[in-house]
Amino acid sequence: AAGVIQSPRHLIKEKRETATLKCYPIPRHDTVYWYQQGPGQDPQFLISFYEKMQSDKGSIPDRFSAQQFSDYHSELNMSSLELGDSALYFCASSFPSGGDNEQFFGPGTRLTVL
Amino acid sequence: TQLLEQSPQFLSIQEGENLTVYCNSSSVFSSLQWYRQEPGEGPVLLVTVVTGGEVKKLKRLTFQFGDARKDSSLHITAAQPGDTGLYLCAGAVITGGGNKLTFGTGTQLKVEL
Repeated sequence: AAGVIQSPRHLIKEKRETATLKCYPIPRHDTVYWYQQGPGQDPQFLISFYEKMQSDKGSIPDRFSAQQFSDYHSELNMSSLELGDSALYFCASSFPSGGDNEQFFGPGTRLTVL
Repeated sequence: TQLLEQSPQFLSIQEGENLTVYCNSSSVFSSLQWYRQEPGEGPVLLVTVVTGGEVKKLKRLTFQFGDARKDSSLHITAAQPGDTGLYLCAGAVITGGGNKLTFGTGTQLKVEL
């Protein structure tokens, strides 16, 4: 079965640079969520989109922005990167009207800021 | 802020033993999901419980949702080394589109031969 696809899987950036993370949800899933997981931490919700509109916002820094496109893929844009932004970034997708709104996670993007 | 406390935080047991992981909150959730995560990988959904008092079984894993939908437990029977991993509970709150997950603090399980 098709899963959530994230790219790139690994990314190394310098401080103050920008980064763009991409997420391709499971086909027919119309909701996308972004999470950040620091070392030894549980995933923290950043932001979500439903039918290309922002549906909820968590602890996402103002330096980060995201959007969902017409094909339902999503991109997380991160600017003025800081050392503390080094983490695993997960995207999850769900189909709201399909059962219990279960979220299925992608393999993640490991971002390292040097 | 909705907090989910998991206990224990770490658990190291021998193959064949039984164990229970607890997930507690003061908040009510519309559903609760259990995930297992390997290092550097995304969480993999194990089960979703929705109804208060619900019990779901997945082979050697038994999941229970509290009557008040504030807590849950995961019981593993006859643990095997392949069960090793980070177990995360996540409470779901329905928002405008989909739902928002609040993750528990995690339980790192190690099953040794």
